[in-house]
Amino acid sequence: KAGVTQTPRYLIKTRGQQVTLSCSPISGHRSVSWYQQTPGQGLQFLFEYFSETQRNKGNFPGRFSGRQFSNSRSEMNVSTLELGDSALYLCASSFGAGTEAFFGQGTRLTVV
Amino acid sequence: AQSVTQLGSHVSVSEGALVLLRCNYSSSVPPYLFWYVQYPNQGLQLLLKYTSAATLVKGINGFEAEFKKSETSFHLTKPSAHMSDAAEYFCAVSEGYNNNDMRFGAGTRLTVKP
Repeated sequence: KAGVTQTPRYLIKTRGQQVTLSCSPISGHRSVSWYQQTPGQGLQFLFEYFSETQRNKGNFPGRFSGRQFSNSRSEMNVSTLELGDSALYLCASSFGAGTEAFFGQGTRLTVV
Repeated sequence: AQSVTQLGSHVSVSEGALVLLRCNYSSSVPPYLFWYVQYPNQGLQLLLKYTSAATLVKGINGFEAEFKKSETSFHLTKPSAHMSDAAEYFCAVSEGYNNNDMRFGAGTRLTVKP
């Protein structure tokens, strides 16, 4: 079966711009989570959606937001980009509590 | 809130030697614990998980981990390292209700010498 698909794989943006990243979960998975990975801070939890509702949120500023659609696809948006937002953004999907989370290959965002 | 500490950001072993990657967790409730592996420019792949069943958990590629509540540890081991095991390994904890809300350790980069 198809895995978790993240688009685009690579992105270069300018400071102050906004960006939208997309995640298509494995078919049947209703839970989608987003993580930011940087060399300095490691893997940090951004937020988690289940059936179009945000269930949990990490400690990130309001510039980071997300949403989930009725088909479970999810997007995350970062507004007013800063240089420090350069990172690998990973999406993970699962059926829900107690089930394995599968990760996509990530979107590498570079802010210049 | 849950958290994870991985001891040693870099571990180097010889091919055929024992691999031991250390992880200690903190959680206010019985945790779910995970080990993931990440190869360069890739996402994370689940190696194994502990979800309150057997304390010794066997995973893929010959890895296993033992949950020790008294030591709040979940160390990852493999009896004999292979060159293909070279990667970054992450320990993660979830407080159970939703294992898609994980807190990760800083990671341990494993190098395997021929």
